[in-house]
Amino acid sequence: AQSVAQPEDQVNVAEGNPLTVKCTYSVSGNPYLFWYVQYPNRGLQFLLKYITGDNLVKGSYGFEAEFNKSQTSFHLKKPSALVSDSALYFCAVKEYGNKLVFGAGTILRVKS
Amino acid sequence: SAVISQKPSRDICQRGTSLTIQCQVDSQVTMMFWYRQQPGQSLTLIATANQGSEATYESGFVIDKFPISRPNLTFSTLTVSNMSPEDSSIYLCSVEPRQGVETQYFGPGTRLLVL
Repeated sequence: AQSVAQPEDQVNVAEGNPLTVKCTYSVSGNPYLFWYVQYPNRGLQFLLKYITGDNLVKGSYGFEAEFNKSQTSFHLKKPSALVSDSALYFCAVKEYGNKLVFGAGTILRVKS
Repeated sequence: SAVISQKPSRDICQRGTSLTIQCQVDSQVTMMFWYRQQPGQSLTLIATANQGSEATYESGFVIDKFPISRPNLTFSTLTVSNMSPEDSSIYLCSVEPRQGVETQYFGPGTRLLVL
């Protein structure tokens, strides 16, 4: 069965510093990996995805993520954090034809 | 990406009553899904809404409690029946526009509080 883990409940970073939100996954076949962001009182917004190809994926709002097959990880990164990046971030994984499975979520707090 | 709207955006309901949530998409989509997000929790898939046939429910969710309709390729409803305070959650509709695209896009959600 497919699963995804986000080991950190919360990540704190100062504005202007780089940020990383961690995600590891488990699937039996080839993974499709996604990051979503949820702002307070809002739905989920799609940030980026990895399906195949280049291991470094670039997405919305300056975010990027690196697919690492050997470590089964798909960490979300941004070179310079903004206060407005503060939100709840979800990693999700699926295999072709299967349902999307979400991690528990990581709260990102960016302080000025 | 598809533009998805949900009605109502929020509601406060009395236990024992039912609420129907609507999901409207601005274009025809292949797949539509309903999720529940309990307070402080992640998203849990309730069911896949199938156009023209019965929805496919995940373990722990039953049709009597969460009846779903999908009359066409742009619209679906989820009913939360005989509500209890444990049903207080955010209910989200999502879509996969086309098979092979593999990205799900989410509506803004419906915040439900059951008293």
